[in-house]
Amino acid sequence: DAGITQSPRYKITETGRQVTLMCHQTWSHSYMFWYRQDLGHGLRLIYYSAAADITDKGEVPDGYVVSRSKTENFPLTLESATRSQTSVYFCASSRTSSYNEQFFGPGTRLTVL
Amino acid sequence: GENVEQHPSTLSVQEGDSAVIKCTYSDSASNYFPWYKQELGKGPQLIIDIRSNVGEKKDQRIAVTLNKTAKHFSLHITETQPEDSAVYFCAASEARNTPLVFGKGTRLSVIA
Repeated sequence: DAGITQSPRYKITETGRQVTLMCHQTWSHSYMFWYRQDLGHGLRLIYYSAAADITDKGEVPDGYVVSRSKTENFPLTLESATRSQTSVYFCASSRTSSYNEQFFGPGTRLTVL
Repeated sequence: GENVEQHPSTLSVQEGDSAVIKCTYSDSASNYFPWYKQELGKGPQLIIDIRSNVGEKKDQRIAVTLNKTAKHFSLHITETQPEDSAVYFCAASEARNTPLVFGKGTRLSVIA
């Protein structure tokens, strides 16, 4: 099906483990984004990408790594998970960085024990 | 950088009444202001947006107003219905290639 998908939808891991959250879009949108959503903080941008092999830091990039070898995929890796990274993570895509609608995925709920 | 403040954080209205959510922004260069609605268990979805050359925009029961002098913009929902219950986010951006900055969200509850 066309659209933007995230996997897994739910993940429980332990402190110190590496975790990768996947994001895939079928629209060939240039821009892709990773946000985290926490109570009281709203949506905070972690990283974004303007095209394959181009990535930029957002507001809260520490502890995260991204890559974008293909236009349609934008994985987010927590190299050594910490409890403060427990959150709901949303991936989004757009034709441009901000002037066009961002289409959000369904989210991944990550719990770090 | 841009800072977006959103109020109130929670809002309860009776079905059929109007709801108003307000946002202020700090960067006078910002010129694009979208509103997103997030239903329970889903990702946010764009419901309306406004650009700085327009003061007001309507789409059926929802409208957005923009006051560039005061650097604030508002979402107005009239004749609220239970399905309007959701979290609403405002956002601002100053340029095509500058990421959106979101407010912290408003949880709207429409009481039947």
